[in-house]
Formats: sequence, C-alpha cells, structure tokens
Amino acid sequence: QVQLVESGGGVVQPGRSLRLSCAASGFTFSSNGMHWVRQAPGKGLEWVAVIWYDGRNKYYADSVKGRFTISRDNSKNTLYLQMNSLRGEDTAVYYCARESRWDGSSRLDYWGQGTLVTVSS
Amino acid sequence: SYELTQPPSVSVSPGQTASITCSGDKLGDKYACWFQQKPGQSPVLVIYQDTKRPSGIPERFSASNSGNTATLTISGTQAMDEADYYCQAWDSSTVVFGGGTKVTVL
Repeated sequence: QVQLVESGGGVVQPGRSLRLSCAASGFTFSSNGMHWVRQAPGKGLEWVAVIWYDGRNKYYADSVKGRFTISRDNSKNTLYLQMNSLRGEDTAVYYCARESRWDGSSRLDYWGQGTLVTVSS
Repeated sequence: SYELTQPPSVSVSPGQTASITCSGDKLGDKYACWFQQKPGQSPVLVIYQDTKRPSGIPERFSASNSGNTATLTISGTQAMDEADYYCQAWDSSTVVFGGGTKVTVL
C-alpha cells in the first residue's frame, strides 16, 4: 500500500534553515510527481511546491519562491524540502502528497501524515 | 494569481443534502478536485477530474463543474461527513486550493 512518511519538522528560529524529508513506499516513486502542501494552525491548505517525476521541473508558490527548494532522490524513494530564511508565517504542518496522472487529469491521491514546523524565537 | 472561493461554512441536517460551491474564473475549463479533512487528519481525495470518485469514497459524494463554479454535493449526509472540504484546481503547473468550507451536521 502507498505510504508517505514525513520527517524533519521541529522548532526553529526565524532566519534559520530546516530540511524536511518524505519517505515513499508502496509504489514506483520515480513515476510520480510529488508535492509539498502546508497548513498553518487553524487555517486552510496552501500549496508549496511540486517536482516532476524525473526532477527536471520544479514550481513554487510565490510565498516561498527563492527561500524553499524541492528536490528528490529517486534511488532512495525520498522527497525533500529545503527551507531557508524561515519566517513566522512558515509555521505549519507540512504534508507531502503524491500526484497521479490518469485519464488526462492529475490528482493528489495520497498524502502523508504531516510534520509540524514551528518558527519561533 | 488564480483564486478559488468557497463559503466558510455550510450546515446540514442528517439525511439531507449539503452543497458546497467553489468559484473561480473559468473554473469549468479546468479540472476540479475536492478533499475532505477531518480534525487532526490528513486531507483525503473525494472527487477528482470534476466528477469522479476514488475507490472507497461513498456514492453519496458527487460533484459538477461548469462555467465559473464547481459544486460538491453530499446526499444523505451522515454525521461522519462533518469535516472541512477543500476544492482544488490546476493553474498552469501549480496547484490552487480554495479556502475551505466547514460542513457541520446538525
């Protein structure tokens, strides 16, 4: 069965860095695009970034562009999110999600359990 | 940037029908998805490609998408359907979520 397990969250001071990981299993990781989506406490879902199945293309939300970097290691079935210059507004639960393409459309069909990032001094 | 607008809340009596709208410019020209999120849990895909249900999603969940509005309908709403619901669409190569709608089953 498909499993996505995030790790790497924690408390970090403003301006510092943190790297999140998402370990994937139960499917051919190298065949799927992968996303990061976050949710601030008590707020809605906010899309963060996507990386294509082969890592060639990456896209970011304006709110994180230039500060966050999405990457993947298909040999390790792992997705990453390098977060630099963190701000208080980056405090959120970060989810990784698998993108599946079928019948001419895409969908985020599996999500991890999330990892909490708290940016605070 | 592209925006999707949802009502903050919808109330429904058990057994009745709940409808949640999602508005965006020419949304009908894009594919819409819907997610259900219960407190403390990860989002779950309930509708994709405007109208399709993933396996395991009950038939009482249905949806449509036309013009500027996508609609999620829950027929015969049950207490277990109380949750936050998010619409989602693709804008170029990026993902956009609506602000979410809290469905309360009274």
